Amino acid sequence: EPEVTQTPSHQVTQMGQEVILRCVPISNHLYFYWYRQILGQKVEFLVSFYNNEISEKSEIFDDQFSVERPDGSNFTLKIRSTKLEDSAMYFCASSLGPASSSDTQYFGPGTRLTVL
Amino acid sequence: AQSVTQLGSHVSVSEGALVLLRCNYSSSVPPYLFWYVQYPNQGLQLLLKYTSAATLVKGINGFEAEFKKSETSFHLTKPSAHMSDAAEYFCAVSDRGSSASKIIFGSGTRLSIRP
Repeated sequence: EPEVTQTPSHQVTQMGQEVILRCVPISNHLYFYWYRQILGQKVEFLVSFYNNEISEKSEIFDDQFSVERPDGSNFTLKIRSTKLEDSAMYFCASSLGPASSSDTQYFGPGTRLTVL
Repeated sequence: AQSVTQLGSHVSVSEGALVLLRCNYSSSVPPYLFWYVQYPNQGLQLLLKYTSAATLVKGINGFEAEFKKSETSFHLTKPSAHMSDAAEYFCAVSDRGSSASKIIFGSGTRLSIRP
């Protein structure tokens, strides 16, 4: 069964450093998402991406964050200057259609980001 | 704004007992509703989803949920718990037919199974 993959599984970085989290969505999917889950809290939406542009972003997704689909398979989340509060589990997801169409979003296993 | 509320951050049941995880939603229009499960150190896996085809939705691993509009609820049940059901369960909602593309998650319920 196709699945969303994410690398690395765990990233440790120093505050102020740039990190890039990588995701390979399911190959025929058209919509891509990033969510995050701070330890002990709920899963929060960050951004959705379709047709090579952001379709929606949350208040969390400020200028320090960016997303890119650099080639036909990868989908990346970049944090330019990490802060302590960016420490969280970051989930990538993909779907064939938008959430409003009820198409299932398939989630990757997550990248645990630890900012020291 | 849409939201979901999960009642009980931790539920503990005996193996073989009924599992009931509660979820209430708030939405100005009929929503799409989901239950996701997260096993330790793993990602989110879809258990089931409600899209209005039927109010009683059957999912994987013997779970089911019933959409009750009058109660704005979408509770998750399983007749007989297995040890392997121990996990975190998230109720979620997305807006039907709007341009919004996100899923909004509840705060989660951790299910423990006693031998």
